[in-house]
Amino acid sequence: NAGVTQTPKFRILKIGQSMTLQCTQDMNHNYMYWYRQDPGMGLKLIYYSVGAGITDKGEVPNGYNVSRSTTEDFPLRLELAAPSQTSVYFCASSYTAGTASGNTIYFGEGSWLTVV
Amino acid sequence: AQSVTQLDSHVSVSEGTPVLLRCNYSSSYSPSLFWYVQHPNKGLQLLLKYTSAATLVKGINGFEAEFKKSETSFHLTKPSAHMSDAAEYFCVVKPGTYKYIFGTGTRLKVLA
Repeated sequence: NAGVTQTPKFRILKIGQSMTLQCTQDMNHNYMYWYRQDPGMGLKLIYYSVGAGITDKGEVPNGYNVSRSTTEDFPLRLELAAPSQTSVYFCASSYTAGTASGNTIYFGEGSWLTVV
Repeated sequence: AQSVTQLDSHVSVSEGTPVLLRCNYSSSYSPSLFWYVQHPNKGLQLLLKYTSAATLVKGINGFEAEFKKSETSFHLTKPSAHMSDAAEYFCVVKPGTYKYIFGTGTRLKVLA
């Protein structure tokens, strides 16, 4: 009963380094998302994907890249890490068909990233 | 434009007293509405959701919420707070196919 699994849970990066946050889901959901959570700001959408091979930008995509080669996996790449990317990152997934609403979004446990 | 506003950033209640967390939304469509809870260092867990069926929605752990279209509100309530309810709560609106819009959260503190 894994749901959405993301790794690593904690990471400290130096300015200019790169890294990939891994995310996988075992619910056969078509939609996957990456959010960042900053104190008092709620969750902001970084990127999302509607299915394998299809990704699109969210509200705050700068400094990030994604790919979706399979239904299950949706990694988030940080290139040239900056202090402004210090945040908590959440991967999420949902199943949405057509214009159907009401579909629950399921979250991973989060990845705490500090850039120093 | 679609948006969601959580009216209180912090709420403190005594254990055993009622909880009220307020949420107002703005949507051009008939939206789906959710409440999620986040315990420290954890992901977000679904409490309940409204999807145009009954306007009073019951969720887990004794929480419920009432959809009031005339007031564009979806407030979360619980008759009696428990220490384990201390967490951050997010109201979420889903106006269309894929997009989920999150409120800024309400941190609930439960006093012994």
